[in-house]
Amino acid sequence: DTAVSQTPKYLVTQMGNDKSIKCEQNLGHDTMYWYKQDSKKFLKIMFSYNNKELIINETVPNRFSPKSPDKAHLNLHINSLELGDSAVYFCASSPTDRDSGGWGYTFGSGTRLTVV
Amino acid sequence: AQSVTQLDSHVSVSEGTPVLLRCNYSSSYSPSLFWYVQHPNKGLQLLLKYTSAATLVKGINGFEAEFKKSETSFHLTKPSAHMSDAAEYFCVVSNTGGFKTIFGAGTRLFVKA
Repeated sequence: DTAVSQTPKYLVTQMGNDKSIKCEQNLGHDTMYWYKQDSKKFLKIMFSYNNKELIINETVPNRFSPKSPDKAHLNLHINSLELGDSAVYFCASSPTDRDSGGWGYTFGSGTRLTVV
Repeated sequence: AQSVTQLDSHVSVSEGTPVLLRCNYSSSYSPSLFWYVQHPNKGLQLLLKYTSAATLVKGINGFEAEFKKSETSFHLTKPSAHMSDAAEYFCVVSNTGGFKTIFGAGTRLFVKA
């Protein structure tokens, strides 16, 4: 199936641990994103990569480090997890058209991270 | 600068009645506008998009939205609500290239039997 797939779907971990979330898209899209959705459903962009290059890096603690080995993958590594990192993290991708407002995103199904 | 405001945090309708979810935007250039739907414990799905073509945009599941530049609005409508429409809806504004994208705070749609 063509899709954006992210793993794991659920992640429960203790404060101070390091964890990674993986994301892969087989849509041939140029751009991939990480979004954080808080408990009030508010979505905030964290990072955006275009053809493996970082193009957006919002105000995110440097404990969060994205890695894009190729344009089909964008993984998120989080060091020294804190209680406030608990949220749902969404990966997304889009074909990028620099002459228009874009074609919209295809989202993964999310990773619910709970830090205890 | 650009922003998007969803005017209602919650909307409740009865099954079979019309749905109206309101969205206003501000942008210093011609924006692209989108509506996404998020069902419980699911990812977001694109419903429809406006990218400077026809101002009335038809999407999936019977939804449509009209771009009104004079009112800076992009309201989402559906003639007849179905129970399966109960979800969170996000209005989104994007700039050229799609690199600067702003999500609204979301509107939760409840559908009563």
